[in-house]
Amino acid sequence: KAGVTQTPRYLIKTRGQQVTLSCSPISGHRSVSWYQQTPGQGLQFLFEYFSETQRNKGNFPGRFSGRQFSNSRSEMNVSTLELGDSALYLCASFNPGYQEQYFGPGTRLTVT
Amino acid sequence: EDQVTQSPEALRLQEGESSSLNCSYTVSGLRGLFWYRQDPGKGPEFLFTLYSAGEEKEKERLKATLTKKESFLHITAPKPEDSATYLCAGFQGAQKLVFGQGTRLTINP
Repeated sequence: KAGVTQTPRYLIKTRGQQVTLSCSPISGHRSVSWYQQTPGQGLQFLFEYFSETQRNKGNFPGRFSGRQFSNSRSEMNVSTLELGDSALYLCASFNPGYQEQYFGPGTRLTVT
Repeated sequence: EDQVTQSPEALRLQEGESSSLNCSYTVSGLRGLFWYRQDPGKGPEFLFTLYSAGEEKEKERLKATLTKKESFLHITAPKPEDSATYLCAGFQGAQKLVFGQGTRLTINP
């Protein structure tokens, strides 16, 4: 069974631009969560989607948004990029039957 | 405030030298405790989920245990390939994990 996939793997953007990241969960998993990982703050929860609905949201500004499609694929958008948005963005899909959450390889975003 | 604290921040061991990593937590509505392994530049790799005090789970050289306030990851006779950052996270439901800062483990041959 294929794992969680994220595209693109690497991205360089300029301050003020916007960016869209994509995540495809493990087949059969309907829940997708997004996390931001930085050296200073560690892994921080952004939001979670289940059946196209956002169920939970972390403490991030409104510039961070997401959505989920009917096939469970999810996208995350960051508008008006700031230098501090440089991070590894991780997507995770959840297996409720076994209470296990699996992460993708991440998208490394660099804002210059 | 929900908090997960891991200690030590970094640990260097010789191959075969057993040790334990600590994860203490104060997470409201905790429904479980997750352990992950993360290699540089990669996403976290799922290891264990623990649900209740007294529970133990094992995988190869790793054993995770849980009490009411903390969890331990015991590493028995580690090998160089066990070198990684080990993360623990409190699970609050709705798939939200509260992560600790991790323990960076180095195993010297």
